[in-house]
Amino acid sequence: DAGITQSPRHKVTETGTPVTLRCHQTENHRYMYWYRQDPGHGLRLIHYSYGVKDTDKGEVSDGYSVSRSKTEDFLLTLESATSSQTSVYFCAISDSQGGLYEQYFGPGTRLTVT
Amino acid sequence: SQQGEEDPQALSIQEGENATMNCSYKTSINNLQWYRQNSGRGLVHLILIRSNEREKHSGRLRVTLDTSKKSSSLLITASRAADTASYFCATDAMQGAQKLVFGQGTRLTINP
Repeated sequence: DAGITQSPRHKVTETGTPVTLRCHQTENHRYMYWYRQDPGHGLRLIHYSYGVKDTDKGEVSDGYSVSRSKTEDFLLTLESATSSQTSVYFCAISDSQGGLYEQYFGPGTRLTVT
Repeated sequence: SQQGEEDPQALSIQEGENATMNCSYKTSINNLQWYRQNSGRGLVHLILIRSNEREKHSGRLRVTLDTSKKSSSLLITASRAADTASYFCATDAMQGAQKLVFGQGTRLTINP
């Protein structure tokens, strides 16, 4: 999986609790992304990072925040988890290869909010 | 705003047959990519085609791109049981090739 790990791999939490998911890469890629995958919606971008401390919102960023204090780590925080945030979360990385950006994905984190 | 949309949503064929999946998108792109996802796993990059290319091959994969119709197709020849997976197209925007927008995917089942 291209040197990308996600932790935890599975988590069950209660509504209203904060949750942090971690993505760690060993590829030294500049760009990192957080997606959520839901039936009927495909893969949707939550937030992405284009460098240390440089982040931007994606399509479905409400209720999520991110931080990147080191090149290798990208954290996704659900400030106060809701049932609608039950999903599978994927981290991805990319870097320029002649101006092209193929993305490499982690194994995913399955989050259930009860 | 869904950029890429795959068709069909599901496809079931016999092993050895060819599988064709289509992707349509809405705005101008720099390139279009296809990814595969096995059940319970992350996506894996298959092939990238630039906007100035019309066709590209990789092993048993053949991708075409028609920018005038804003569409692409992925052909898998001589399918195998291991090709059973979901296939997604992903497009970037003219500005910001680092960001991709994924379609909802085609679920391909290869029957032995």
